[in-house]
Amino acid sequence: EDKVVQSPLSLVVHEGDTVTLNCSYEVTNFRSLLWYKQEKKAPTFLFMLTSSGIEKKSGRLSSILDKKELFSILNITATQTGDSAVYLCAVETAPYGGSQGNLIFGKGTKLSVKP
Amino acid sequence: GAVVSQHPSWVICKSGTSVKIECRSLDFQATTMFWYRQFPKQSLMLMATSNEGSKATYEQGVEKDKFLINHASLTLSTLTVTSAHPEDSSFYICSARRSTGYNEQFFGPGTRLTVL
Repeated sequence: EDKVVQSPLSLVVHEGDTVTLNCSYEVTNFRSLLWYKQEKKAPTFLFMLTSSGIEKKSGRLSSILDKKELFSILNITATQTGDSAVYLCAVETAPYGGSQGNLIFGKGTKLSVKP
Repeated sequence: GAVVSQHPSWVICKSGTSVKIECRSLDFQATTMFWYRQFPKQSLMLMATSNEGSKATYEQGVEKDKFLINHASLTLSTLTVTSAHPEDSSFYICSARRSTGYNEQFFGPGTRLTVL
């Protein structure tokens, strides 16, 4: 059975701290790994990773994928209170080797950044 | 670009009634739309994949006769929760994938359903 596991489930830090969120996966027909930020409503897209070892960066956020060890990390440096959210990791699979697949979500990491 | 809307944002209904939720891609065509359900403090669970002009594909454990999906056009998919019960109360989120270009999914803002 395909699964995506995120850790920790919950994290409390102070502004300015650096955090690392983890996502490991076991899926057949891996296509890509995506990170989302979910505040009060629907998830907003952060990164999509398809190749190992290539860091994606956007401001204070960065992410990297290890397809050999089947995991990804999301780093947030100099955290701010506005970073408080649930961060979701999702793996896109491509059943039957097709070009389009489904997303399997992890349970998320709830990040709380205190002033 | 790539905006997805859902209507209504929230709905409260009595047990036994049916509720229809609309998902629209506003500025792109979506061959495929996905319906997710999210219970409190849980992650998104895929319910079904909806392809324009064909029957939806339901995930294991999701009753297709209870959750009716119609994807009549490239910009609209609807989810009807039939004979809703309190246990159907949840946050329903749709996403849409472009017909062209990369296969990224764009999420709607979600619909909060409360069944009394």
